[in-house]
Amino acid sequence: GAVVSQHPSWVICKSGTSVKIECRSLDFQATTMFWYRQFPKQSLMLMATSNEGSKATYEQGVEKDKFLINHASLTLSTLTVTSAHPEDSSFYICSASIDSGNTIYFGEGSWLTVV
Amino acid sequence: RKEVEQDPGPFNVPEGATVAFNCTYSNSASQSFFWYRQDCRKEPKLLMSVYSSGNEDGRFTAQLNRASQYISLLIRDSKLSDSATYLCVVLDSTLTFGKGTMLLVSP
Repeated sequence: GAVVSQHPSWVICKSGTSVKIECRSLDFQATTMFWYRQFPKQSLMLMATSNEGSKATYEQGVEKDKFLINHASLTLSTLTVTSAHPEDSSFYICSASIDSGNTIYFGEGSWLTVV
Repeated sequence: RKEVEQDPGPFNVPEGATVAFNCTYSNSASQSFFWYRQDCRKEPKLLMSVYSSGNEDGRFTAQLNRASQYISLLIRDSKLSDSATYLCVVLDSTLTFGKGTMLLVSP
């Protein structure tokens, strides 16, 4: 069964609205979760590292005010895409590690389409 | 900038064929290496880790050459169900993904 659960799997939203994606670790506590984005035929690109109880660390070129990350508990991290635009349409995936990196579990991913 | 390079393919092979994927990485300090499989519109799933001594899991063999910063994946006796995109993944401070190599196995 899934070790990391992501919700929703699919979401369509209107341009200008905000969308929240949840990432939950099941059966374990994740002090660190990661958020990735994958455009068609491209590799997964790390957007940010989500740290429980503190601010997320964003990769260069990722707008922290646009992609809000909240990691309020050891089992839940959320990514909110604010004021979404069609170019934000992508596959967003979260991941978590139990043993500091060598075992990575991915969520099922969330397809975001902004119309 | 850390990079992981793969031939995007697609590799079109018949069932039963042997196919090899290659991957190079730029950061010589990278610690761990993996091959992931990603089916269309799905999340990546770990296929196997890659060890310096080389490792085998059934029809899959992975090898690492640290001196050349090169990783390979060999798939023997290809099955239709092997059709997917294979991602080379390197871990240092973060995970860095290659763009993936698409494999299409035909009857």
